[in-house]
Formats: sequence, C-alpha cells, structure tokens
Amino acid sequence: KQEVTQIPAALSVPEGENLVLNCSFTDSAIYNLQWFRQDPGKGLTSLLLIQSSQREQTSGRLNASLDKSSGRSTLYIAASQPGDSATYLCAVNPQGGSEKLVFGKGTKLTVNP
Amino acid sequence: GAGVSQSPSNKVTEKGKDVELRCDPISGHTALYWYRQSLGQGLEFLIYFQGNSAPDKSGLPSDRFSAERTGGSVSTLTIQRTQQEDSAVYLCASSPPTETQYFGPGTRLLVL
Repeated sequence: KQEVTQIPAALSVPEGENLVLNCSFTDSAIYNLQWFRQDPGKGLTSLLLIQSSQREQTSGRLNASLDKSSGRSTLYIAASQPGDSATYLCAVNPQGGSEKLVFGKGTKLTVNP
Repeated sequence: GAGVSQSPSNKVTEKGKDVELRCDPISGHTALYWYRQSLGQGLEFLIYFQGNSAPDKSGLPSDRFSAERTGGSVSTLTIQRTQQEDSAVYLCASSPPTETQYFGPGTRLLVL
C-alpha cells in the first residue's frame, strides 16, 4: 500500500529565505507526483506536476524534483514571501492510471514578514 | 472560466441524520473524484467517476456512504445516518483524462 510522508509537519521562516519541503513515498511505481497548495478554508491549487519519467519541474520561484528510485521529492521555494504561507501537500498518482491520488499530511509553512 | 464548485460550503447536522453534498465539475471534464480531509489526517480518496465507466468505490469507508453522477456532470455524495467521525472537509475534484485534478473549495461537515 502506497504511503506518503511529508517532513516537516510545520515550518516557520523569515521572509526572503530559501526553503525545502520534503516528501517521501513507499512504492516507487508511480505515474506522476504533484505538489499542491492549500490555503485555510480553500480548496487545493496544483503547483507542479512531475511525470514519472521527469526529474524536475519549475514554475517561477518553485522547483520540484523527483527521485523515483529512492521514493523522494522535494519542493524548493526561493526567496520566500508572506504570501507563500499555506499548507503544501504532496500527492502521488500510483501506476496503473487509476488517478486516485495518495496524499501526504502536508507541511504548514509560515513566512514571517 | 468557472472552476469546480461545491455546495453547501458548510453543513452542521445531528448524529443519525442523512446529508447530501453536491459537486459541480468543470464543464467538459470527464473524471470526477471525491476525497475526505479529516482533522490531522491527509486527504483520503473516496470515489472516482470516469465517463460512463462504473465508478471506483474502493475508498468509501462504509455502506453509509454513496455517490452518484448524473448525466456525466453533477455529482452528489450522500452520507446516511451520520456519525461524529464523519466530520471532515469533503473535497471534490475534476479533470480531463490523465491530467491534473482541479479541486473545489470543499464542504465542511460537522456532525454533532
């Protein structure tokens, strides 16, 4: 059974700092991996999607990497801003095209002005 | 364009009552998913509809939970005889085939 773990559970940093969020998964047979952002009382917003054949994806100040063989992904946020404060969720799409995402419990990020 | 919408946004009910949660997916999206997010837990898959295929109900926690999708569009998640442990945020998502899922804002259910 696929399990996804995110470390740390919470992170507080000063504005401007570069930071890394970690995600690990137990079964390397995945179709893709996504990073989502969740703001309080809101739904999820997809940030980056990495296909199993890819090593990384970049969007603006965000860079996500994938090491399928070791079951790890990282989300790098450069020059953090208070508006980045949210919960970041990692989700894997298990191989087989079932599309049933398996989520981690998230990392709650606070960026202090 | 319009995103995924869910209603109601909040629902408070008494233990033992039935509730219906509604999801309006993005127009043209063939796939629709329901997830549950309980306090302190990750998102948990409940059910998945893809086109006219039989739904994947493997995530439904008990037979008190059911869902239907009418006309390939709107979906309703029904919880019968609600229990306190059903209190959670219920999230709906839709997607074109094999693409990223777009999530609605969720329905926050509180069972007293």
